[in-house]
Amino acid sequence: RKEVEQDPGPFNVPEGATVAFNCTYSNSASQSFFWYRQDCRKEPKLLMSVYSSGNEDGRFTAQLNRASQYISLLIRDSKLSDSATYLCVVSYNDMRFGAGTRLTVKP
Amino acid sequence: GAVVSQHPSWVICKSGTSVKIECRSLDFQATTMFWYRQFPKQSLMLMATSNEGSKATYEQGVEKDKFLINHASLTLSTLTVTSAHPEDSSFYICSASRTGLYEQYFGPGTRLTVT
Repeated sequence: RKEVEQDPGPFNVPEGATVAFNCTYSNSASQSFFWYRQDCRKEPKLLMSVYSSGNEDGRFTAQLNRASQYISLLIRDSKLSDSATYLCVVSYNDMRFGAGTRLTVKP
Repeated sequence: GAVVSQHPSWVICKSGTSVKIECRSLDFQATTMFWYRQFPKQSLMLMATSNEGSKATYEQGVEKDKFLINHASLTLSTLTVTSAHPEDSSFYICSASRTGLYEQYFGPGTRLTVT
């Protein structure tokens, strides 16, 4: 079993749609959780940290469920510019990246 | 702030040669730098962690004699791929941190192609 698992997608959605990604992790001792965005052939960029209480940043909402060991990212009112690969990152002694979920937002 | 650069951004080399990749933190001092490798459609895989002035800590399965890491200053780390082979072709990304593990700033990556 992979340490961090994500649905690879691709998710193809129209502009304005709401889309949700899930991620599961295997190490119950993991302490920190993040969502990164990676554009094609570019470096990952931090999108948001994920807290147990959940957190929201504009159109993006992240949730953490420690009991079930999964993390989610919800994107509302998706824009063309949201097209990218979204990486789930889980940290214990180091950062473990999921393989990413590819999102394409179409006009 | 927190800008990390990598050089070169793209390199093609012949099999058997060595390639050096530089990672620089431009506007902060990085106590720790991390080197990752990413194959197409796969996740970033941590190769090694380096702290300034000490030897790098390599992940299991990463050959330290093949991937030489030097972190000589608080703003510069280098990764040298020695005797490169086509299977070393990949996207190499570094990240730098001021405070440790949880605050990593990524460089733009170096795409290595070995022919």
